[in-house]
Amino acid sequence: EDKVVQSPLSLVVHEGDTVTLNCSYEVTNFRSLLWYKQEKKAPTFLFMLTSSGIEKKSGRLSSILDKKELFSILNITATQTGDSAVYLCAVQGGGSQGNLIFGKGTKLSVKP
Amino acid sequence: NAGVMQNPRHLVRRRGQEARLRCSPMKGHSHVYWYRQLPEEGLKFMVYLQKENIIDESGMPKERFSAEFPKEGPSILRIQQVVRGDSAAYFCASSRTGTGGSASTDTQYFGPGTRLTVL
Repeated sequence: EDKVVQSPLSLVVHEGDTVTLNCSYEVTNFRSLLWYKQEKKAPTFLFMLTSSGIEKKSGRLSSILDKKELFSILNITATQTGDSAVYLCAVQGGGSQGNLIFGKGTKLSVKP
Repeated sequence: NAGVMQNPRHLVRRRGQEARLRCSPMKGHSHVYWYRQLPEEGLKFMVYLQKENIIDESGMPKERFSAEFPKEGPSILRIQQVVRGDSAAYFCASSRTGTGGSASTDTQYFGPGTRLTVL
């Protein structure tokens, strides 16, 4: 069965800390891995990764994919209270056409 | 460029009633996906549609649930004879292309969701 596992499930840090969120997957016909940030409403798109070893970066956020070991990490440096959210990892692939297989998310709380 | 629109944002129904959830994709997007998020659970795929076609409904419950994406107008997710277990947040996403497109263009963008409460 296709699955995506995120760790930790929750994390509490202080402003200025650096955090690393993990996502491992076992999905047939892997196509891409995506990271989303979900606050109280819509998951907002952060990154799409398709190739191993190529870091994607946006401000204080960066992410990389390892297709050999089947995992990805999302790094956030110099965290701010506005980074508090649930971070979702999703993989496109599996037996279906086009749907995303989501992990349960990592709930990040950044305290002032 | 407006994002994915969903309405209503909140919907309360009594057991046995029908729930209709609407989704308008982003401009230029012709692929729509519906997901359900139960409390403390990740998003689960339900159905993938293009205009007038259901491409993949492998995540949809066999009974009471149906979806459509007509030539004109929004995509509709319909739940008949709702039960308490249907209470959840229902998210719609859209993409420019589907699996046939390049990876950069089939990124799925999500709407704000409809929170369904069944009393």
